[in-house]
Amino acid sequence: AQTVTQSQPEMSVQEAETVTLSCTYDTSESNYYLFWYKQPPSRQMILVIRQEAYKQQNATENRFSVNFQKAAKSFSLKISDSQLGDTAMYFCAFIYSGGGADGLTFGKGTHLIIQP
Amino acid sequence: NAGVTQTPKFRVLKTGQSMTLLCAQDMNHEYMYWYRQDPGMGLRLIHYSVGEGTTAKGEVPDGYNVSRLKKQNFLLGLESAAPSQTSVYFCASSYTRATYNEQFFGPGTRLTVL
Repeated sequence: AQTVTQSQPEMSVQEAETVTLSCTYDTSESNYYLFWYKQPPSRQMILVIRQEAYKQQNATENRFSVNFQKAAKSFSLKISDSQLGDTAMYFCAFIYSGGGADGLTFGKGTHLIIQP
Repeated sequence: NAGVTQTPKFRVLKTGQSMTLLCAQDMNHEYMYWYRQDPGMGLRLIHYSVGEGTTAKGEVPDGYNVSRLKKQNFLLGLESAAPSQTSVYFCASSYTRATYNEQFFGPGTRLTVL
């Protein structure tokens, strides 16, 4: 079974700064997807960014980008020009791309606080 | 297009009571999932369904049952609620898993078992 580890329970940065959230995972599979989800106080789970393991190019979505190191099994999220609205829990998640329909495996999350 | 909806949003039960959580999606998705989220934890998969009439166990299935009688609905049942089932429950759905399709999440149900 795969595991996802987020080693930073909480982080706090000033508005407009850049922050990086770390995530490592363990799997014996070679084909999979990785995700970062944002969960604001409203509880709604919002997909921030996703990465296909077979792609070497790191995914980017506006101010959000990832550093995907497949050999090291590392998948960090960088938020540039952080905004107050970025304050939320952030979860790293994994799913196999092969057969079966098992769901996402999540890390325990990082609580990100953007200070004004 | 409402996406994924969950009923109810909040519920308080006494130990031993039963209840059913309803998840509905209007996106014609094949796959549906039930997760639970506990403090300090990410979401964990309870049960899932790959289509109408099919269900399967996830990581933490004990104490729960599910049914998928209609493609758009996925029900999660607690036959005899226990305090350990106090949690926030999320439903999600996606098209298929042949290639990855995004899972869309409902707003969650906060359940407290006294």
